[in-house]
Amino acid sequence: SYELTQPPSVSVSPGQTARITCSADALPKQYTYWYQQKPGQAPLLVIYKDTERPSGIPERFSGSSSGTIVTLTISGVQAEDEADYYCHSGDSGGTVVFGGGTKLTVL
Amino acid sequence: QLQLQESGPGLVKPSETLSLTCTVSGASINSRDYFWGWVRQPPGKGLEWIGSIWFSGNTYYNPSLESRITISVDTSKNQFSLSLTSVTATDTAVYYCARLEYDFNNYRMDAFDIWGQGTLVTVSS
Repeated sequence: SYELTQPPSVSVSPGQTARITCSADALPKQYTYWYQQKPGQAPLLVIYKDTERPSGIPERFSGSSSGTIVTLTISGVQAEDEADYYCHSGDSGGTVVFGGGTKLTVL
Repeated sequence: QLQLQESGPGLVKPSETLSLTCTVSGASINSRDYFWGWVRQPPGKGLEWIGSIWFSGNTYYNPSLESRITISVDTSKNQFSLSLTSVTATDTAVYYCARLEYDFNNYRMDAFDIWGQGTLVTVSS
């Protein structure tokens, strides 16, 4: 089965850059999507189709892709960015897969 | 403004069937541009996709749950529903319904762009 692997945790100081990776275990890789989830809230889409940012999402959120690894980058991290982040992708057969999630801590 | 709202019992007994409904307001569920999905999250754990349905009734299910789940759609009520049979304590989770963008021309699922607030279902006797 298709799997996505994320680091369990990432820690950065305010103003620094946070990078969260999502590694797929197979090619061809479909598009990847990123969600931010704060405690007690539903997930919020922050990046779609590897690199696109939905309206209303701050410019400090960006996405990139290289081979089977996609990266969510948060530049100039703010305290409000502390949350869990999940990547999501799928296969050509309609199956949806989520990564295990990464807890971003702002020190 | 599009909204999704989950409804159903918050407590289900072991071995029984969990049933939830998602009511869509602000847009029609009868669109080829979207699938409608269920995602769950056990307490303190990550997201798990359960399954997705198109307005026509076409479904995709998580292979690990496929033998126990049924997702259906009622376009007249603008709702879709989840049924999960033979539940155990491991099915205790917050259950979310969400809209899944669908690229009809490329037969590709895209992002979950709109989510319900989620509902906690506890499996316990």
